[in-house]
Amino acid sequence: DIVMTQSPLSLPVTPGEAASISCRSSQSLLHSNGYNYLDWYLQRPGQSPQLLIYLGSNRASGVPDRFSGSGSGTDFSLKISRLEAEDVGIYFCMHSLQVPLTFGQGTKVEIK
Amino acid sequence: QLHLQESGPGLVKPSETLSLTCTVSGGSISSSSYYWGWVRQPPGKGLEWIGTSSYRGSTYYNPSLNSRVTIFVDTSKNQFSLKVTSVTAADTAVYYCARRGEMAIKDSWVFDYWGQGILVTVSS
Repeated sequence: DIVMTQSPLSLPVTPGEAASISCRSSQSLLHSNGYNYLDWYLQRPGQSPQLLIYLGSNRASGVPDRFSGSGSGTDFSLKISRLEAEDVGIYFCMHSLQVPLTFGQGTKVEIK
Repeated sequence: QLHLQESGPGLVKPSETLSLTCTVSGGSISSSSYYWGWVRQPPGKGLEWIGTSSYRGSTYYNPSLNSRVTIFVDTSKNQFSLKVTSVTAADTAVYYCARRGEMAIKDSWVFDYWGQGILVTVSS
């Protein structure tokens, strides 16, 4: 199985400031088609997860442009350029390169 | 707007079978463009993919659950179901049903719609 490791696990951020989350995979997520099979999901408190970023760097429909994903191979990151109150929650990375799909442990982002 | 809703017992006894249903509304489950799956989250912990199925019955399961898991798509009811046999306390979790759809880029499958989740507790 591909192991996904996120850091930090907790991230207090002042509103308006930037935030960055790292996700590393135990194997390369770069497919022969040139895409990295790495997605980011946000789980707001008491809610189901929602898709933010797919294939490493593509924002899902309706996701604000303050969210950006980058990276390739085994090292990825999610950046929030200016944190807003509605961004609070747990962020998960997930690979979809092969079965089984696996998630990172989650990074809890909260207001400082 | 697509809506997914989980249903089933919230309490299951150890060694018995956990059975959940996900009812899909606002769209047809009978499309080759989508897969239907289950993800669970133990209390206070992270997410675990359980398995995924197409409406034609092509299934993919997490090997960590061995042969205890079955996902079935019922096109006549626009529902899909999950069965987990021989449950233990480790199977206590919030279970989410979700749709796996392909984005604009070919072969970019994501969980694009989720149910609200249902807590299942395994206890005698």
